Amino acid sequence: GESVGLHLPTLSVQEGDNSIINCAYSNSASDYFIWYKQESGKGPQFIIDIRSNMDKRQGQRVTVLLNKTVKHLSLQIAATQPGDSAVYFCAETFAGGYNKLIFGAGTRLAVHP
Amino acid sequence: GAVVSQHPSRVICKSGTSVKIECRSLDFQATTMFWYRQFPKQSLMLMATSNEGSKATYEQGVEKDKFLINHASLTLSTLTVTSAHPEDSSFYICSADSRASGARGTDTQYFGPGTRLTVL
Repeated sequence: GESVGLHLPTLSVQEGDNSIINCAYSNSASDYFIWYKQESGKGPQFIIDIRSNMDKRQGQRVTVLLNKTVKHLSLQIAATQPGDSAVYFCAETFAGGYNKLIFGAGTRLAVHP
Repeated sequence: GAVVSQHPSRVICKSGTSVKIECRSLDFQATTMFWYRQFPKQSLMLMATSNEGSKATYEQGVEKDKFLINHASLTLSTLTVTSAHPEDSSFYICSADSRASGARGTDTQYFGPGTRLTVL
């Protein structure tokens, strides 16, 4: 699958392909970012986070990239599986923000066999 | 891992009635709890921040008299939707934070499973 633009609402990929989900955040003062996965009818589930003093962080099958210059965040999922099908949200917060999370619009990832 | 529960998971009520939703942190103490509302195919919108033993802080545009929040203990926060109307139908999600307000750390908040409110 391919990512198109910064505000892709739906991403369809084939099982086994890599997925890239993008997010544009709003507050230049934000210094901590989190990606969440939300399955239908459930609460958000933590995937990975990154601080503003980093530009890349890797987890198991997932990588988050941060570009502060253009206020852009991406989530890369390697070897996408059907169980990865969900809506993915980025969230931002900042020091002095009292731990309040501001969520992005979200992207639905559909994985096809 | 930290677990947050919500009760009920689903509620249907008549217009004009009040509905109470509970949010509990099961294995940790939550100094702060947050309440979100999520309409279909939309993102989570923060409604209010609830601190144990003090009044909740509401986001702009959220009516504090309509959405009553009580954080009576370090493991329980409740959201009461008063005089509910069909436009209040939504998915309400709480989250709990074990850190002191303003303290930084990873894996910031633990989310509950959500409560689906339908007002007829």
